[in-house]
Amino acid sequence: AQSVTQLDSQVPVFEEAPVELRCNYSSSVSVYLFWYVQYPNQGLQLLLKYLSGSTLVESINGFEAEFNKSQTSFHLRKPSVHISDTAEYFCAVRGISGNTPLVFGKGTRLSVIA
Amino acid sequence: DAGVIQSPRHEVTEMGQEVTLRCKPISGHNSLFWYRQTMMRGLELLIYFNNNVPIDDSGMPEDRFSAKMPNASFSTLKIQPSEPRDSAVYFCASSSRGLLQNEQFFGPGTRLTVL
Repeated sequence: AQSVTQLDSQVPVFEEAPVELRCNYSSSVSVYLFWYVQYPNQGLQLLLKYLSGSTLVESINGFEAEFNKSQTSFHLRKPSVHISDTAEYFCAVRGISGNTPLVFGKGTRLSVIA
Repeated sequence: DAGVIQSPRHEVTEMGQEVTLRCKPISGHNSLFWYRQTMMRGLELLIYFNNNVPIDDSGMPEDRFSAKMPNASFSTLKIQPSEPRDSAVYFCASSSRGLLQNEQFFGPGTRLTVL
């Protein structure tokens, strides 16, 4: 079984400032890791994922996350946020064996202030 | 590709009524997942299917909830009778084996309000 902890439920940040959204996971098996973004009144969109290989993964809109196996973390970062980044961000994991469901964290609401 | 399609997008009903939520997965996907999102519990799995067969329904909260997948292109989630605590956003997601490493694609969700 897996579990995901997102330590911050809300993160306010000024526009063009850097941000880090924290995610820690627990699992007895090897996992794939994901960050999903949910804009207001919309569904979930995959932001980025770690499957294997380089521990640093990047999205097309400037976000990056680094898989740290020893610390069981997958923190999400962006060096300079925009107003349009205001959304809820979910960290998720799933076992690598088979086509299994995602286990989500409770989410972090990122609010970018002008 | 139209993506995962869910209907209705919004449903308002009265306590005790039957509610049916519908999902059409992406063509060619062989796994389908139903998730529920609430403020208190966040996103949680209700049930998932592989090749139209229910694999794990341990997340279905009560016998009032049932889900079916009669074919590869359609699934329903039914609540009978509905209760106010069932109010939530219900998401359907689908995935397939292959190069995308089973990435799950989510529908827009159905926002259910039970009065």
